[in-house]
Amino acid sequence: NAGVMQNPRHLVRRRGQEARLRCSPMKGHSHVYWYRQLPEEGLKFMVYLQKENIIDESGMPKERFSAEFPKEGPSILRIQQVVRGDSAAYFCASSPPQKNTEAFFGQGTRLTVV
Amino acid sequence: AQSVTQLGSHVSVSEGALVLLRCNYSSSVPPYLFWYVQYPNQGLQLLLKYTTGATLVKGINGFEAEFKKSETSFHLTKPSAHMSDAAEYFCAVSEGYGGSQGNLIFGKGTKLSVKP
Repeated sequence: NAGVMQNPRHLVRRRGQEARLRCSPMKGHSHVYWYRQLPEEGLKFMVYLQKENIIDESGMPKERFSAEFPKEGPSILRIQQVVRGDSAAYFCASSPPQKNTEAFFGQGTRLTVV
Repeated sequence: AQSVTQLGSHVSVSEGALVLLRCNYSSSVPPYLFWYVQYPNQGLQLLLKYTTGATLVKGINGFEAEFKKSETSFHLTKPSAHMSDAAEYFCAVSEGYGGSQGNLIFGKGTKLSVKP
């Protein structure tokens, strides 16, 4: 059973471009969480999704950021018109639908905006 | 709102010495508590977690942590440090969504160095 897969592992974008980060959850996991880790900081929760639904997006910046988790395919975190401050590591975690179950983290996508 | 405070952004110990990484939390509801380890350029790996039951929790790689409600603490310990323990450690608390453990509030992390 493969773990949580994130791609790409490293992404370089110029200011103003779009960044698309993908997360394929573990098999049988229907819950996905996105986190952002800024340098010298802990992880900050961004958004919690279930298949085709956004459950909690309280950590998402109000503009330029969006997330989806379609019925088929990976979850996508999309950042439009990237700025230097978006440079960070973005981690995805997934968990099964049952209560009291652990979430497993992917290895992250490191976004660099130049 | 829940929060996590990790005392000491950097901790250095000698190989074979006791490792103690401190974590205090605030929560208005019974918390779920976690310790994760992150190696450079890697994702997070769960070391151990407390949900309910026994307050002394044993994890992987010889680590353990004790939930002390009266002190709102969940400190991580290991009796004897190994060079391979050098990494960054994160304490986290879960707000929970009907028991889902994926929405976590993280501390800022403690970097552990192990001297030969």
